[in-house]
Amino acid sequence: EVQLVESGGGAIQPGGSLRLSCVVSGITFSNYAMSWVRQAPGKGLEGLSLISYNGDSTYYADSVKGRFTISRDNSKSTLYLQMNSLRAEDTAVYYCAKMDGSDAHRDTFDMWGQGTMVSVSS
Amino acid sequence: EIVLTQSPATLSVSPGERATLSCRASQSVSSYLAWYQQKPGQAPRLLIYGAFTRATGIPARFSGSGSGTEFTLTIGSLQSEDFAVYYCHQYDNWPLTFGGGAKVEIK
Repeated sequence: EVQLVESGGGAIQPGGSLRLSCVVSGITFSNYAMSWVRQAPGKGLEGLSLISYNGDSTYYADSVKGRFTISRDNSKSTLYLQMNSLRAEDTAVYYCAKMDGSDAHRDTFDMWGQGTMVSVSS
Repeated sequence: EIVLTQSPATLSVSPGERATLSCRASQSVSSYLAWYQQKPGQAPRLLIYGAFTRATGIPARFSGSGSGTEFTLTIGSLQSEDFAVYYCHQYDNWPLTFGGGAKVEIK
């Protein structure tokens, strides 16, 4: 069974930093591109960042470019999202999602974790 | 950025009836269009990809159609477990974008 388990969320003040992790099991993690998607309370879905199977290619939404960094450790089957300079509008559930291909080109999200909540407030 | 517009925003349907949801893209996405189902407190679940291909384990009552800029998700005979929010999603171009969602509620 494929599992994606996020951790690292919590309450943080504006301007602070958090690092989210997503441990993946049940698949050969290094074969697939991975991503982070978020959902603000009561709102829709927003694709934030993608990383190719080997980490060579990364993509960011304009809303997080320059503040968030996606990375992966294939030896640990783990995806990361380093979030800096957090703002109130970053408050959301953050989902880790597996892509259905390797290079993050025209791949879609075929499996999702249960999400981790990030709340940015003073 | 490709904008996806879903309609209607809310659809009230009786169990056993058919539901049809629409998704319009601001520019062509070819067939790189997926549909997701999300229930309260849960992560989205992939239903359809490539505009019309059902994902693994998805019942045949879910069907997708369309290409270019106009797409449709049809649920053939609504079951109790189908009442949820549905999102369309394009993966033709970065940034990957989602529609605003369509809630299918019990009439």
